[in-house]
Amino acid sequence: GNSVTQMEGPVTLSEEAFLTINCTYTATGYPSLFWYVQYPGEGLQLLLKATKADDKGSNKGFEATYRKETTSFHLEKGSVQVSDSAVYFCALTPLLNNAGNMLTFGGGTRLMVKP
Amino acid sequence: DTGVSQDPRHKITKRGQNVTFRCDPISEHNRLYWYRQTLGQGPEFLTYFQNEAQLEKSRLLSDRFSAERPKGSFSTLEIQRTEQGDSAMYLCASSLRGPDTQYFGPGTRLTVL
Repeated sequence: GNSVTQMEGPVTLSEEAFLTINCTYTATGYPSLFWYVQYPGEGLQLLLKATKADDKGSNKGFEATYRKETTSFHLEKGSVQVSDSAVYFCALTPLLNNAGNMLTFGGGTRLMVKP
Repeated sequence: DTGVSQDPRHKITKRGQNVTFRCDPISEHNRLYWYRQTLGQGPEFLTYFQNEAQLEKSRLLSDRFSAERPKGSFSTLEIQRTEQGDSAMYLCASSLRGPDTQYFGPGTRLTVL
């Protein structure tokens, strides 16, 4: 079956530090990969996505590259801000499956950025 | 585009009661998904609709869970005879086509006493 594993949190960083949140996946075929973010008190929001190998998704200074050879989609940001404090979820959806491209999520990684 | 809305945002109920949640997707989206998220975990897929057809329901947690989307617009998720283990956040998402981005609503937080 499909699964997503991401590093456990919380991750605590100082403002302007470099961020990496690791994500690896197991899937049949060629899934699309996503990072969703959940800010305190808010719903899940798409942060970025990549639909094929070697694609780089980017948004709001965050980046992640679809690495088929290592089945990874690590999230990075060069300089985090306090406002980036949130829970980050890595997810995948197979290109074709019976469940209409249901998302399979990792367990989430809480990021805390201190001023 | 008003986004995905869910009602109610919070529901507290006693064990054994039935509860129903509503989801209104983005208006032109024909796919609608339900997920459950327990504390500290990622969302877990429950079921999905394409228009009014429920095309996948094997992931519903038990036969106490059911969902409808009668006219291909809003959807309801019902839990009968609630148990304390049903306490969770219930999320709805919609998309225009299968591989497209799913947009999530704010969720309904259920607490079963």
